[in-house]
Amino acid sequence: GAVVSQHPSRVICKSGTSVKIECRSLDFQATTMFWYRQFPKQSLMLMATSNEGSKATYEQGVEKDKFLINHASLTLSTLTVTSAHPEDSSFYICSATGTTTGEKLFFGSGTQLSVL
Amino acid sequence: DAKTTQPPSMDCAEGRAANLPCNHSTISGNEYVYWYRQIHSQGPQYIIHGLKNNETNEMASLIITEDRKSSTLILPHATLRDTAVYYCIVRDLQGAQKLVFGQGTRLTINP
Repeated sequence: GAVVSQHPSRVICKSGTSVKIECRSLDFQATTMFWYRQFPKQSLMLMATSNEGSKATYEQGVEKDKFLINHASLTLSTLTVTSAHPEDSSFYICSATGTTTGEKLFFGSGTQLSVL
Repeated sequence: DAKTTQPPSMDCAEGRAANLPCNHSTISGNEYVYWYRQIHSQGPQYIIHGLKNNETNEMASLIITEDRKSSTLILPHATLRDTAVYYCIVRDLQGAQKLVFGQGTRLTINP
């Protein structure tokens, strides 16, 4: 299947700082990317959908000024957690689909964010 | 909101077939049934998907009832590495195309 690379896999930061997570499609052009977060022992919760070159569409209850999403190219989307707080500690996962992936959607390996 | 219902957990003996049920009684005509699995602390892995016909690939088989209100994922010869949380998801490819996850089934393969 297609490869989605997510970086970093793990990050620890101080409260009040910002953290950027990258999601790259390595062997296809990702026209649409999705960002999820997952708390321990819970399911994945969709945060936002981003189409290349457009503003992201956020799910209800997700603060767009806190979780900045950029999808400026067909192979890269970034999620920036601004002014992170301990309650933002979570597992963040991206997924992507494109014109050559058919009806499939592929996921990155996730980023474990810990805010101290 | 997730539009599927799955049992929270299941057990299966190694080497036997694992049959995971999913109820999606409100599925619409444009929506596909997808199955993903997630092994601890990793991103979900695509397994299989279908619209109304049964599907089979190297990983699993998907059986969709004729009225499309339920489906079953079959892992024909389960191994210990198949222990994971399995998610059944309905996805509208003509709409937002997003995958909305429910709670899934935690499948444990026992030696």
